[in-house]
Amino acid sequence: DAGVTQSPTHLIKTRGQQVTLRCSPKSGHDTVSWYQQALGQGPQFIFQYYEEEERQRGNFPDRFSGHQFPNYSSELNVNALLLGDSALYLCASSFRGALFDEQYFGPGTRLTVT
Amino acid sequence: DQQVKQNSPSLSVQEGRISILNCDYTNSMFDYFLWYKKYPAEGPTFLISISSIKDKNEDGRFTVFLNKSAKHLSLHIVPSQPGDSAVYFCAATPYSGGGADGLTFGKGTHLIIQP
Repeated sequence: DAGVTQSPTHLIKTRGQQVTLRCSPKSGHDTVSWYQQALGQGPQFIFQYYEEEERQRGNFPDRFSGHQFPNYSSELNVNALLLGDSALYLCASSFRGALFDEQYFGPGTRLTVT
Repeated sequence: DQQVKQNSPSLSVQEGRISILNCDYTNSMFDYFLWYKKYPAEGPTFLISISSIKDKNEDGRFTVFLNKSAKHLSLHIVPSQPGDSAVYFCAATPYSGGGADGLTFGKGTHLIIQP
């Protein structure tokens, strides 16, 4: 049973560029959440997708956008990259019908903005 | 404003002894609490959780205690093993009854188990 997978593993971009990160949820999961983890910090919630719609959003500017596909996989897009966007981007999946809210995380994509 | 606080950036414990990791929260809307463990170069791994209707939940060597009036929870690991060396994150969310809300995380505590 494949867990949450993310691609690419690492990425280096230049300030001002755009980036797309990808996530495939754990089998049986229908909800995808994205988090940003800066060095020395805990993960910070960016947004969540369910039924191909953004359902909840954290305190991130609209340079951060996303998409969910019919197969539940998801993309995170970041426009006009800033140096401060350098971080580990984590995708987490869950099942909407679950009794509790455990989210299962992928290994992350390390983004470096130069 | 940090809604979930882990005030100990690191903790060193001898193998075989008890490890106690602490977490405080400020948001009264939080109703469900989770602990995650993270190794370098890996994503966080779910460890154990607790709903606010309980004050204790056990799973093998791991026990989480919740003191709702003090807005405090703790994770106990007994006995501590070398493989427990990792960063531990406390997370919280309003319970949405089957939905999955965004989690609010603390900054983490780096647990080091000494042989």
